[in-house]
Amino acid sequence: SQQGEEDPQALSIQEGENATMNCSYKTSINNLQWYRQNSGRGLVHLILIRSNEREKHSGRLRVTLDTSKKSSSLLITASRAADTASYFCATDPNTGNQFYFGTGTSLTVIP
Amino acid sequence: DGGITQSPKYLFRKEGQNVTLSCEQNLNHDAMYWYRQDPGQGLRLIYYSQIVNDFQKGDIAEGYSVSREKKESFPLTVTSAQKNPTAFYLCASSIVRNTEAFFGQGTRLTVV
Repeated sequence: SQQGEEDPQALSIQEGENATMNCSYKTSINNLQWYRQNSGRGLVHLILIRSNEREKHSGRLRVTLDTSKKSSSLLITASRAADTASYFCATDPNTGNQFYFGTGTSLTVIP
Repeated sequence: DGGITQSPKYLFRKEGQNVTLSCEQNLNHDAMYWYRQDPGQGLRLIYYSQIVNDFQKGDIAEGYSVSREKKESFPLTVTSAQKNPTAFYLCASSIVRNTEAFFGQGTRLTVV
């Protein structure tokens, strides 16, 4: 399977702390995306990072990509209760016509 | 407002019946996708379409069928051949394949 894997599976932090989640994948990619899913809802796109980029920022989000290690990390700074959700990475392999979602990290931010 | 709409939100099906899930988008996107999500798991691709009248199987297409007669619409039929259809189904679209995807709110299908 080309599916990515997020780590940890679940994360619980206090409001105001930073949250870091990681994504590992198996094949060379064109880009990697991060999505958020609130319980029972659709996914919302957060950020896309291309294979020739190493770091990208969007508001309180910071994404890094290490293609040599086939891994990416998502950092959420100064977390809020509203950040409670599941976070998924999605990889776009160089070969094939689809992107592959990881298994997700469930983040709980305690007020 | 532009967006992607799935209906119904909840669907109950008797064993042996076919059911069709609706997905409509007004974003003028060429690519559309259907995913299945099981509890505590990631998304698995059922079918995708990059252009009208063309679609491709994903990893778990068996027991499902789709059509793409209009750019805006990509309905999914869950047939009686799908042995374990109870799941959360998500439709998505993107401008072209594998760019930022916009998701609908999902349809939760339960076999009774």
